[in-house]
Amino acid sequence: DVKVTQSSRYLVKRTGEKVFLECVQDMDHENMFWYRQDPGLGLRLIYFSYDVKMKEKGDIPEGYSVSREKKERFSLILESASTNQTSMYLCAVQGLAGGEQFFGPGTRLTVL
Amino acid sequence: GEDVEQSLFLSVREGDSSVINCTYTDSSSTYLYWYKQEPGAGLQLLTYIFSNMDMKQDQRLTVLLNKKDKHLSLRIADTQTGDSAIYFCAETLGSGAGSYQLTFGKGTKLSVIP
Repeated sequence: DVKVTQSSRYLVKRTGEKVFLECVQDMDHENMFWYRQDPGLGLRLIYFSYDVKMKEKGDIPEGYSVSREKKERFSLILESASTNQTSMYLCAVQGLAGGEQFFGPGTRLTVL
Repeated sequence: GEDVEQSLFLSVREGDSSVINCTYTDSSSTYLYWYKQEPGAGLQLLTYIFSNMDMKQDQRLTVLLNKKDKHLSLRIADTQTGDSAIYFCAETLGSGAGSYQLTFGKGTKLSVIP
């Protein structure tokens, strides 16, 4: 199985700061995803990428952007963090067999 | 998008069987998945079932799929306290180019009483 790592487990930022969340996989899979998870709302897809420099909006892209310069790395960017972006952020990589997604440990972001 | 529905909570006694249910809406889903999330962690893939199967068993886990009713269930035999977690059902979003997206339910929190 692919191993997915995220740059931080916990992050505290101030309103208006630019925030970078990094996700790295240890294999060569093409499809990578960013979700946010909030109580009562489940997982919501922010952005995904199916190859280097390729990106697609998910269900809630507003306030976010992404970057995929190398195949193994997919970054989520909060251009100007706001308090409503306080959440758990999960990165996932899609495997080759059954379309299953493998998740990183998550980054709990708090915006003050 | 399509909705995947799950009950939010389930409580069972240690040693009993747990059954977590899920209904999905996209009849063209190729695969259906069960994930487990422990507190403060990411989602861990437990098992998945191909849409042309009715049942899949993997040690203490049994997945049942009723395509006619679009109903998926996960049975955990001999439930242990370590099984306490949130369980997510997920389906592939259609087929073809969009099939690499998954739609997740909101999760069922399983509490195991010692």
